[in-house]
Amino acid sequence: DVKVTQSSRYLVKRTGEKVFLECVQDMDHENMFWYRQDPGLGLRLIYFSYDVKMKEKGDIPEGYSVSREKKERFSLILESASTNQTSMYLCASSLPWQTISGNTIYFGEGSWLTVV
Amino acid sequence: AQTVTQSQPEMSVQEAETVTLSCTYDTSENNYYLFWYKQPPSRQMILVIRQEAYKQQNATENRFSVNFQKAAKSFSLKISDSQLGDTAMYFCAFRIANAGGTSYGKLTFGQGTILTVHP
Repeated sequence: DVKVTQSSRYLVKRTGEKVFLECVQDMDHENMFWYRQDPGLGLRLIYFSYDVKMKEKGDIPEGYSVSREKKERFSLILESASTNQTSMYLCASSLPWQTISGNTIYFGEGSWLTVV
Repeated sequence: AQTVTQSQPEMSVQEAETVTLSCTYDTSENNYYLFWYKQPPSRQMILVIRQEAYKQQNATENRFSVNFQKAAKSFSLKISDSQLGDTAMYFCAFRIANAGGTSYGKLTFGQGTILTVHP
């Protein structure tokens, strides 16, 4: 089974802190994603990566950056955390979209981030 | 830009009964994929069912089936013989079929519907 692991389930950080959310997948997937989930808004794409060192902005990239130095790892970085970034963050991975299997996206369990 | 709308924030159903969750979407694209994802209270999101827009036949996966109305841009999920384990939040999602351009890799989700199955 595909496993997408997010290193931290629950985090509490202070305003202005730099926050790292780590995600690792074990199925050699090319695509990796970071979503943010908020009540009433569903999931919104923050950033997407389709290869090592490649990244694309999603719908809400402001205040975030990402790093993909290795294929299996995709990190989300909050340069200076703010209270409006309190949310559930979901990492996901998939094969390339061009493949049939690429239409299945696998999610991690999520990281609850509270910024105080 | 693509949008996905789930107009039912919450639904409930009795065990063994049938329930339908609604989803509408807006796009100018002709080739795309539609998905229903389930997020149980444990928070692990899992794929329930997938529909290719070019296929007229509605997708079915065991107790889960969809009613895909391309002209109406509607994609509802029917759960038959509901079970307690079906209690979860359900998300409808959309993706353009052809990669490339600024929409490359983007999976757009609806707001979600919380489904509660009562014993």
